[in-house]
Amino acid sequence: DVKVTQSSRYLVKRTGEKVFLECVQDMDHENMFWYRQDPGLGLRLIYFSYDVKMKEKGDIPEGYSVSREKKERFSLILESASTNQTSMYLCASTNSNQPQHFGDGTRLSIL
Amino acid sequence: DQQVKQNSPSLSVQEGRISILNCDYTNSMFDYFLWYKKYPAEGPTFLISISSIKDKNEDGRFTVFLNKSAKHLSLHIVPSQPGDSAVYFCAGSTSGTYKYIFGTGTRLKVLA
Repeated sequence: DVKVTQSSRYLVKRTGEKVFLECVQDMDHENMFWYRQDPGLGLRLIYFSYDVKMKEKGDIPEGYSVSREKKERFSLILESASTNQTSMYLCASTNSNQPQHFGDGTRLSIL
Repeated sequence: DQQVKQNSPSLSVQEGRISILNCDYTNSMFDYFLWYKKYPAEGPTFLISISSIKDKNEDGRFTVFLNKSAKHLSLHIVPSQPGDSAVYFCAGSTSGTYKYIFGTGTRLKVLA
């Protein structure tokens, strides 16, 4: 069974801090994704990666960057956290012919 | 521009009855659609999908209908059970892109 693991379930950080959210998948998936979920807005794609060291912007990349140094790991970076980045962050992975599998999410609060 | 719309934020249904969740899309390039279910404090889990070459796909109690001319899909749950209470997201995708565009979700509450 596919396992997508997000390193933290809950995280509290301060405005201006650099924040790292980590995601690891164990199924050798090529494609990995970062979303944020906000009430009334659904899931919005921040960044995705279809191979090691490759990345593409999603619909809301501003204020974020990503890193994919190894196939199984995809990191989301908030360069300088702001209060409007308080959200639920969800990581997903897939190969081309499968539905995306999601982790359980990281609820991030920026104070 | 919201490419995938779920116009009902919430829905309440009696246990044993049918739940119908609706989804509209605007992007004509979408050829693959999915429904995910999400419980609080958990990630979304895949429920059912449909390719644009079909107009219906069934999996147990769950059936998805696709009306391409109306750019509309719906998820039917029969019979509804209290454990189905969750937020349901529909998503559209274009072959080869691996990207999904999600709707805003519908919160289903099944009353015992």
